[in-house]
Amino acid sequence: GESVGLHLPTLSVQEGDNSIINCAYSNSASDYFIWYKQESGKGPQFIIDIRSNMDKRQGQRVTVLLNKTVKHLSLQIAATQPGDSAVYFCAENFLPSDYKLSFGAGTTVTVRA
Amino acid sequence: GAGVSQSPRYKVAKRGQDVALRCDPISGHVSLFWYQQALGQGPEFLTYFQNEAQLDKSGLPSDRFFAERPEGSVSTLKIQRTQQEDSAVYLCASSQTDRGPDQPQHFGDGTRLSIL
Repeated sequence: GESVGLHLPTLSVQEGDNSIINCAYSNSASDYFIWYKQESGKGPQFIIDIRSNMDKRQGQRVTVLLNKTVKHLSLQIAATQPGDSAVYFCAENFLPSDYKLSFGAGTTVTVRA
Repeated sequence: GAGVSQSPRYKVAKRGQDVALRCDPISGHVSLFWYQQALGQGPEFLTYFQNEAQLDKSGLPSDRFFAERPEGSVSTLKIQRTQQEDSAVYLCASSQTDRGPDQPQHFGDGTRLSIL
């Protein structure tokens, strides 16, 4: 399943399929991006990050892609599992500071059994 | 513990009361952040500490909000004369160094504040 366009608040995906969550960021000068997963009643959990000097970074079952030309970030989750159901946030380093994160509104991912 | 710990997990207060929210960051983490998360929204930055120094408080909504980290470890966010619009989840995060954005921020599970 894939969230299309700039941002889609919800994404439903079949268990075992790959998920793609998209995010448009606002500041072309931002140089650090991070994806968080937030389950109900819990705090955001770090998934993966990427610096602006990279286009792609892989983790365990996850890949982040960065397209600076169109200010677009995506998170790919391979073989989506029920435990992946959560809200996913992208965040960018909020210039001119080098520590302040600016979060998007989030995408709710629901995994269908 | 291994993660960021926040207490209490839930707080209910009457409008006009003062509240204090506590954050225990990951041991040894230099940087500490407070965020406010409204229902259905992403976290919004409130304030940032590097050790005991509060370097940025630009996100605090009003002068009723006050944060401190006197010994460079535990931090407290205090809200005076609470208003209904203060109802939200307050998240604390810490990161390992003060070396800019390369270190991810690790979050606690937050305090859910409800003002009646």
